[in-house]
Amino acid sequence: SQQGEEDPQALSIQEGENATMNCSYKTSINNLQWYRQNSGRGLVHLILIRSNEREKHSGRLRVTLDTSKKSSSLLITASRAADTASYFCATYPLNDKIIFGKGTRLHILP
Amino acid sequence: EAEVAQSPRYKITEKSQAVAFWCDPISGHATLYWYRQILGQGPELLVQFQDESVVDDSQLPKDRFSAERLKGVDSTLKIQPAELGDSAMYLCASSLASGWEGEQFFGPGTRLTVL
Repeated sequence: SQQGEEDPQALSIQEGENATMNCSYKTSINNLQWYRQNSGRGLVHLILIRSNEREKHSGRLRVTLDTSKKSSSLLITASRAADTASYFCATYPLNDKIIFGKGTRLHILP
Repeated sequence: EAEVAQSPRYKITEKSQAVAFWCDPISGHATLYWYRQILGQGPELLVQFQDESVVDDSQLPKDRFSAERLKGVDSTLKIQPAELGDSAMYLCASSLASGWEGEQFFGPGTRLTVL
């Protein structure tokens, strides 16, 4: 089952621009996490936002959570070539296990 | 910096053969996860351990897959017999906290190809 769905599936932007990707989910959650995966490698945790939080920042990352709309967004400001990766949202539904979305493939153009 | 170790990194096998993957979590992490990731998809949880006990294995195909974490430290995931559809990346992760509070640290994965 797919709890989280990222949008868009793929995104190409120029270096220095901001990148925004969205995640929608279906059921109430405890928290939502964003992970990054470079090609063919393991995932790296970026940020965790709890269900009672609306916004969190970490360096160039900004995550928002709207529980009424069951959606989250990840904003990467001033993108760099090293940001090229796949980005996954992962949700923890109440009384259930973690579920990852299919991911957004981000490509930063030089 | 402590990391999750996995081996082998790559495995090619023929269908009907047995394969095994090994994971060594970050020291002190009580929770260990095994995921399967098909190309172009997100990781799918196969099994979650808390120390040596299985917390969730609802998505583990138990007719052919088995997982153990005998001493509550490292873990082995086995497939017997392997099928063509098992070709995927197998990821191990560990976390200090259990359940939904835990930030997960992932290993580099084992890429399995079944011929």
